[in-house]
Amino acid sequence: DQQVKQNSPSLSVQEGRISILNCDYTNSMFDYFLWYKKYPAEGPTFLISISSIKDKNEDGRFTVFLNKSAKHLSLHIVPSQPGDSAVYFCAARSGAGSYQLTFGKGTKLSVIP
Amino acid sequence: EAGVAQSPRYKIIEKRQSVAFWCNPISGHATLYWYQQILGQGPKLLIQFQNNGVVDDSQLPKDRFSAERLKGVDSTLKIQPAKLEDSAVYLCASSLNRAQETQYFGPGTRLLVL
Repeated sequence: DQQVKQNSPSLSVQEGRISILNCDYTNSMFDYFLWYKKYPAEGPTFLISISSIKDKNEDGRFTVFLNKSAKHLSLHIVPSQPGDSAVYFCAARSGAGSYQLTFGKGTKLSVIP
Repeated sequence: EAGVAQSPRYKIIEKRQSVAFWCNPISGHATLYWYQQILGQGPKLLIQFQNNGVVDDSQLPKDRFSAERLKGVDSTLKIQPAKLEDSAVYLCASSLNRAQETQYFGPGTRLLVL
């Protein structure tokens, strides 16, 4: 039972364009959603998060949008740069009592110069 | 600020052997997590410590996996005996406390069981 789903295993985008990575979830009790970026042979690096009570959070080129009614979130990267090429993981945190992160399978983003 | 440290970075063993991984979290972080990441999957939580106590080990295969954080700082994860399906990257993460949503990950230990 996959509670966090990233349905696109890969995505290719031209440099300078917008990258949109999507994530769906099933558990309405998740209280935070996070995006991590992972380069080969490295651990995941925290990118940006959003509380379940908000619908948008922005940090520089990265914006996360949350649609609670659709149980869907997306990460927008504008403009995309070759250094953004990595695997992006969506994660959701269970609320009080557990505080466990559940991860999706990841989306590999390739930004083409 | 130093990040999460893990060693070794790579380990190759034969099935039925034992192996141990070490993690040193970010200084001052009370909560420590061990994850298993199988190729093509997202990280899966194995065990969560708050200081030196276990708060969640529901997904740890306790017949072969064990973990400890005796002094509430660094931690060791052990597998004994290893199986072929244990081949994965073992990631350690830490957070300031359980309520903080952001977990910071180490580089991981890549284990290959032959």
